[in-house]
Amino acid sequence: QSALTQPASVSGSPGQSITISCTGTSSDVGGYNYVSWYQQHPGKAPKLMIYDVSKRPSGVSNRFSGSKSGNTASLTISGLQAEDEADYYCSSYTSSSTFVVFGGGTKLTVL
Amino acid sequence: QVQLQESGPGLVKPSQTLSLTCTVSGGSISSGSYYWSWIRQPAGKGLEWIGRIYTSGSTNYNPSLKSRVTISVDTSKNQFSLKLSSVTAADTAVYYCAREGIAARPYAFDIWGQGTMVTVSS
Repeated sequence: QSALTQPASVSGSPGQSITISCTGTSSDVGGYNYVSWYQQHPGKAPKLMIYDVSKRPSGVSNRFSGSKSGNTASLTISGLQAEDEADYYCSSYTSSSTFVVFGGGTKLTVL
Repeated sequence: QVQLQESGPGLVKPSQTLSLTCTVSGGSISSGSYYWSWIRQPAGKGLEWIGRIYTSGSTNYNPSLKSRVTISVDTSKNQFSLKLSSVTAADTAVYYCAREGIAARPYAFDIWGQGTMVTVSS
């Protein structure tokens, strides 16, 4: 069982917006602004999409945005495109000796 | 641009030691601005952080694996390595090496290797 909880799947039509949640505790998501989001296409390595809750690395589309409220972080993808179909993972710093914990992943289907 | 590449055996027998190396190209592993990490992903499952090393050799390990894991660095070869002892079928996974920021993008993995599949089987 993963330390952070994500929905197993979400779906949306092209052009729509979707949001993926990532729920942790005050020892990780709620306590620190070190939440990251990764996109993983089948057979590929994860790609960093969001770090520090809401910052985008250079080259990542501004259709991707991150936020946090309490112990839950969220990734929002606006203007869905076919290429957004992938698995998405959240991660967070944790005050436990594990340092970094991941969510179980969410499969995004673009209908 | 910095790239990471994993290498090592794709098949390991139960109870033996899994050994992988990550070669860093396009940048120096000694830059001091990053940790160098190992992360694994069993087929169809999520990501698990294994551990990390700093250029000085300082390490941090996932407590669930700590008794079996050793991560080392060879700055002369611009490489870092993973050893996982007493493997079982549960250690079968794709193993990734990744770069983790310290001052900038802490606890975020901004560059990943392509991953290497390791199967534990006799």
